[in-house]
Amino acid sequence: DTAVSQTPKYLVTQMGNDKSIKCEQNLGHDTMYWYKQDSKKFLKIMFSYNNKELIINETVPNRFSPKSPDKAHLNLHINSLELGDSAVYFCASSPPLAGSRDTQYFGPGTRLTVL
Amino acid sequence: QQQVKQSPQSLIVQKGGISIINCAYENTAFDYFPWYQQFPGKGPALLIAIRPDVSEKKEGRFTISFNKSAKQFSLHIMDSQPGDSATYFCAALGGTSYGKLTFGQGTILTVHP
Repeated sequence: DTAVSQTPKYLVTQMGNDKSIKCEQNLGHDTMYWYKQDSKKFLKIMFSYNNKELIINETVPNRFSPKSPDKAHLNLHINSLELGDSAVYFCASSPPLAGSRDTQYFGPGTRLTVL
Repeated sequence: QQQVKQSPQSLIVQKGGISIINCAYENTAFDYFPWYQQFPGKGPALLIAIRPDVSEKKEGRFTISFNKSAKQFSLHIMDSQPGDSATYFCAALGGTSYGKLTFGQGTILTVHP
């Protein structure tokens, strides 16, 4: 009955590889997000989708491509992985943006290590 | 450009003491200020939040104090417990940010028994 789930929890890969992280929420929310937490624990938003439409795209390299097949899922695909991509990636979701002030619920995170 | 500045970076408190974490923001369009708590290996979870139309909000041992004119807000944890040991993040949202939470740098709180 997990609200926001991510797979995998850990991902270890070589430089240059392509990998994907999956996120699913069962809260009925319309908006989903990807955040990156670096080694200093700083959290920064990467992308946001509202009802499958991209609404926030921060200055993230083109190697990162989010995909939302439906409102409950937001996946993150990363091409040509680099050492600097090593971080913890969090998926989050929130109710519709009409209020734009609602709680964001975070998943457990995916720790990506690029060797 | 860091729009939300948080201090201190780390804090050590004895059990039963008061933990105080401070944040300052720059963007006057922000109108929602949540605090998140993160335990090791877990995702951030909302602890308490405030809107700028009130100066204080209390939920159990946790209180947010908000000073709109100074553009500052703080989290007070009364009767701190070892189970409160975690990383705390302040954040801000509002204006045309479309749900974009801007986080502070985080404070690692350690409560000694």
